[in-house]
Amino acid sequence: DVKVTQSSRYLVKRTGEKVFLECVQDMDHENMFWYRQDPGLGLRLIYFSYDVKMKEKGDIPEGYSVSREKKERFSLILESASTNQTSMYLCASRGTGDEQYFGPGTRLTVT
Amino acid sequence: AQKVTQAQTEISVVEKEDVTLDCVYETRDTTYYLFWYKQPPSGELVFLIRRNSFDEQNEISGRYSWNFQKSTSSFNFTITASQVVDSAVYFCALSGWYSGGGADGLTFGKGTHLIIQP
Repeated sequence: DVKVTQSSRYLVKRTGEKVFLECVQDMDHENMFWYRQDPGLGLRLIYFSYDVKMKEKGDIPEGYSVSREKKERFSLILESASTNQTSMYLCASRGTGDEQYFGPGTRLTVT
Repeated sequence: AQKVTQAQTEISVVEKEDVTLDCVYETRDTTYYLFWYKQPPSGELVFLIRRNSFDEQNEISGRYSWNFQKSTSSFNFTITASQVVDSAVYFCALSGWYSGGGADGLTFGKGTHLIIQP
């Protein structure tokens, strides 16, 4: 089974802090994705990566950056967290069948 | 720009009833993929099905079936003889074709909250 793990299920940070969300997949997938999920808005794509050191902006990249130094790991970075970044963050990895497998999510609260 | 519309915000039915979740999409791509995901109360997204734009054949998997119609840009999902365990939020999603091969990032609908009452 595909396994996508995220470093934390719950995270509380203060406004202005630098925040790192980590995602690891164990299936040697080349493609990884970060989404955020908000009530009434559904899931929206933040950033994605097709290979190590490659990144592409999604629909809502503002306020975020990413890092992909190793194939299995894709990090989402909030350079200076703000309260409007309070959300559920979901990482996904894309398999050869082109379906995306999702991690359990990190619920981030910025106070 | 791509768009996915799930007009039904919430559906409530009694167990054993059949229920259909609607999904309408918009895209200018000629090659694209359509997906359905289930999100139970635990929160983790579970992949249900993928369809590419060249394959309009309907699919049945147990109590689940999917009806893909390009003429109406719809990809509807039917649960037959619903069960309480089917209660979840269901998302329809769309992706384009990445030039390097395969599906791009997903554009999701806002989801349909399905409640199955015992």
